[in-house]
Amino acid sequence: AQKVTQAQTEISVVEKEDVTLDCVYETRDTTYYLFWYKQPPSGELVFLIRRNSFDEQNEISGRYSWNFQKSTSSFNFTITASQVVDSAVYFCARGVLTGGGNKLTFGTGTQLKVEL
Amino acid sequence: DAGVTQSPTHLIKTRGQQVTLRCSPKSGHDTVSWYQQALGQGPQFIFQYYEEEERQRGNFPDRFSGHQFPNYSSELNVNALLLGDSALYLCASSLRTGYNEQFFGPGTRLTVL
Repeated sequence: AQKVTQAQTEISVVEKEDVTLDCVYETRDTTYYLFWYKQPPSGELVFLIRRNSFDEQNEISGRYSWNFQKSTSSFNFTITASQVVDSAVYFCARGVLTGGGNKLTFGTGTQLKVEL
Repeated sequence: DAGVTQSPTHLIKTRGQQVTLRCSPKSGHDTVSWYQQALGQGPQFIFQYYEEEERQRGNFPDRFSGHQFPNYSSELNVNALLLGDSALYLCASSLRTGYNEQFFGPGTRLTVL
């Protein structure tokens, strides 16, 4: 199975610190998408960002930024000036179009705790 | 614009019973996917429905089955429940074409006793 690995189980930071969440993925596909989702205590997965395998340009969206490097199969996610409301579990996922469907493979998640 | 909705919110069943979970996709979406999320784990893909047919399936036994209706809503059925089926079941909807992001519902928490 082609895995998505999030080695950081839990990260604790103080509010206003920057925090980077790591993600490493495996794939034999040339075309795929990578996603970051946030899961607050309520349980609903919230879509944050998407990047396709053809575009390694890194971007910033508000306090969020990401670093996609195909050479190392990594797709890291950074929150700048963290806030208490950022506390949640963050999941990295890989999407591939196969067999007529586009299933997502998720990592095990990183629990982020932002404290005052 | 309503997002993805799921019912019920919580459910308690005993081993051997059968359960049906329901999902209504986000307005304009035609594809529904189901995921199982065990405690402390990432969601695991169960299957995906489009045009009322199962298009792709994850590594789940035949006890897990589903259906999609003409209005794109979907059901997940689990027969002969096991203790290990206790999990949060998430429904996600998306547009069929391309690598569109999947939008998730709040989930159904199933507890099997």
